[in-house]
Amino acid sequence: DAKTTQPNSMESNEEEPVHLPCNHSTISGTDYIHWYRQLPSQGPEYVIHGLTSNVNNRMASLAIAEDRKSSTLILHRATLRDAAVYYCILRPQGAQKLVFGQGTRLTINP
Amino acid sequence: NAGVMQNPRHLVRRRGQEARLRCSPMKGHSHVYWYRQLPEEGLKFMVYLQKENIIDESGMPKERFSAEFPKEGPSILRIQQVVRGDSAAYFCASSPRTGVGVTEAFFGQGTRLTVV
Repeated sequence: DAKTTQPNSMESNEEEPVHLPCNHSTISGTDYIHWYRQLPSQGPEYVIHGLTSNVNNRMASLAIAEDRKSSTLILHRATLRDAAVYYCILRPQGAQKLVFGQGTRLTINP
Repeated sequence: NAGVMQNPRHLVRRRGQEARLRCSPMKGHSHVYWYRQLPEEGLKFMVYLQKENIIDESGMPKERFSAEFPKEGPSILRIQQVVRGDSAAYFCASSPRTGVGVTEAFFGQGTRLTVV
């Protein structure tokens, strides 16, 4: 499985945008970039995924570098409820399982 | 549409006892995955099942652990002769039958197993 690298932790303030980086220099052409997050004492939840183009949904935006070796999850206006561990995962097309790394622990200050 | 249901939410077992963890996938989902999360660690894949079949068990410990997903009823993760090192949160996820596209996985709230 291709490897992703994320900062261990990040901190931001409420109502400000948050940019969570992920490096995946060994990504292959058929790897999708998935983001999940895990709130305290809960199971992971899907946030967003993409292949080549930037993606937007109600939760976040995903910006993918042109060479696909990195991506950034953007929370446009963080709230306290966004405090969680965010996982960037590469999932080959057709693959079923998700392989989680250590993720980024995001702290939101009021 | 109810989400992925896991029960019990908390389970306490004495060393040497058996633990049975249940997972009911979302309606219409035929793929189930089990993950384990040790305290302060990330999620580790254990096993991937479809109805009546184990597809990938590369993350399952070789002994004491087994999983099934019968034609009827929930998926069961069974741990025999539990030891203190089995104390962890066990998460189940489900996804629909996949075709060409990539689908998201939906996770349950987990079962927190404590071995005393």
